[in-house]
Amino acid sequence: EDQVTQSPEALRLQEGESSSLNCSYTVSGLRGLFWYRQDPGKGPEFLFTLYSAGEEKEKERLKATLTKKESFLHITAPKPEDSATYLCAVQAKETSGSRLTFGEGTQLTVNP
Amino acid sequence: GAVVSQHPSRVICKSGTSVKIECRSLDFQATTMFWYRQFPKQSLMLMATSNEGSKATYEQGVEKDKFLINHASLTLSTLTVTSAHPEDSSFYICSASQGTYEQYFGPGTRLTVT
Repeated sequence: EDQVTQSPEALRLQEGESSSLNCSYTVSGLRGLFWYRQDPGKGPEFLFTLYSAGEEKEKERLKATLTKKESFLHITAPKPEDSATYLCAVQAKETSGSRLTFGEGTQLTVNP
Repeated sequence: GAVVSQHPSRVICKSGTSVKIECRSLDFQATTMFWYRQFPKQSLMLMATSNEGSKATYEQGVEKDKFLINHASLTLSTLTVTSAHPEDSSFYICSASQGTYEQYFGPGTRLTVT
């Protein structure tokens, strides 16, 4: 059974204080690992897809990396508008269609 | 690109009535659509997967007769909560995939059953 564990559950940062969120996963064969951002009362917003170990992707202050066991979402010099819940999900190769298994998320709060 | 809409965004209904939620892919054809339920401070729980023109595949523990899903076209899927009760109150989110790996999510529908 595919499993995704995210840590920490919650993270408070001061504006400008860089940090990383962790996503550990177990899957029989990884097709892709996905990062989403979710604001309260809204649907998840797609951020990145990573397909193979060693891959990195960047978007503004966010950088996602992938190893064979985990992914990190690095946040550089965060701003209050980066406050949100960040969700990690995996998709297995044997999965039909594009079914995802989600982690519980990390709730990030960036204080001004 | 890859925009998904949901309607309504909020709905309040009385216990025993049925509610229909629409999910549309606005700028792409969605071969597969997914329906999720999310409780406060929890992650997304997949309810069912639907392919255009086929019957939906429900996750274990999800009542097929209570949560009716129709995926009649490549841009529209509907979720009908039949005979709703207060315990069905939740945040319902749909997503759509165009045959690639990514899922694009709608903004969600807050259902409150009184």
